[in-house]
Amino acid sequence: GENVEQHPSTLSVQEGDSAVIKCTYSDSASNYFPWYKQELGKRPQLIIDIRSNVGEKKDQRIAVTLNKTAKHFSLHITETQPEDSAVYFCAASRAGFQKLVFGTGTRLLVSP
Amino acid sequence: NAGVMQNPRHLVRRRGQEARLRCSPMKGHSHVYWYRQLPEEGLKFMVYLQKENIIDESGMPKERFSAEFPKEGPSILRIQQVVRGDSAAYFCASFAGSSYEQYFGPGTRLTVT
Repeated sequence: GENVEQHPSTLSVQEGDSAVIKCTYSDSASNYFPWYKQELGKRPQLIIDIRSNVGEKKDQRIAVTLNKTAKHFSLHITETQPEDSAVYFCAASRAGFQKLVFGTGTRLLVSP
Repeated sequence: NAGVMQNPRHLVRRRGQEARLRCSPMKGHSHVYWYRQLPEEGLKFMVYLQKENIIDESGMPKERFSAEFPKEGPSILRIQQVVRGDSAAYFCASFAGSSYEQYFGPGTRLTVT
């Protein structure tokens, strides 16, 4: 079955810096890769996703890149703000009818 | 446009009791996934249901856990004879079937004492 690895487990940056979180997946049939942000005690919230037919997607300060050949995808946050502090999870699935397999999470801390 | 609803938000059970967790998907969504999140860990898939059907239960423990999504009413995750190791946050996510996104409910935090 699918296995998703995520690095780093913790990431501390200064406000205004960029943050990059990386994930690798094992199932070459996976074609949907969402990223979720989870604040303490809250639900995971979808912040951006990418499908396997594109290599990059951007939404304001957030971007995701996908390398299907290497089977890895990354989340890039630019101009980080303290409110970006949270745990970020990557996930992978086949199409839309399949379970999401999550990475182990990255705790991002943005210091003012 | 109400989002995914879960109740109760917090549930305390003593060892050996039963826990029932409910999930109402977003309006128009007929697919529900249940995930479990142990403290300080990621989310693990448990079960995928459509109305009146269990599609994939490969993540469900073989004993004590069951799930249903009846024609009318919410999806229910039932845990019988709870043990301390069942303490976790249980999230459901709903899915329209016409797009890829899964939207999560606020979760039920189960504490077994």
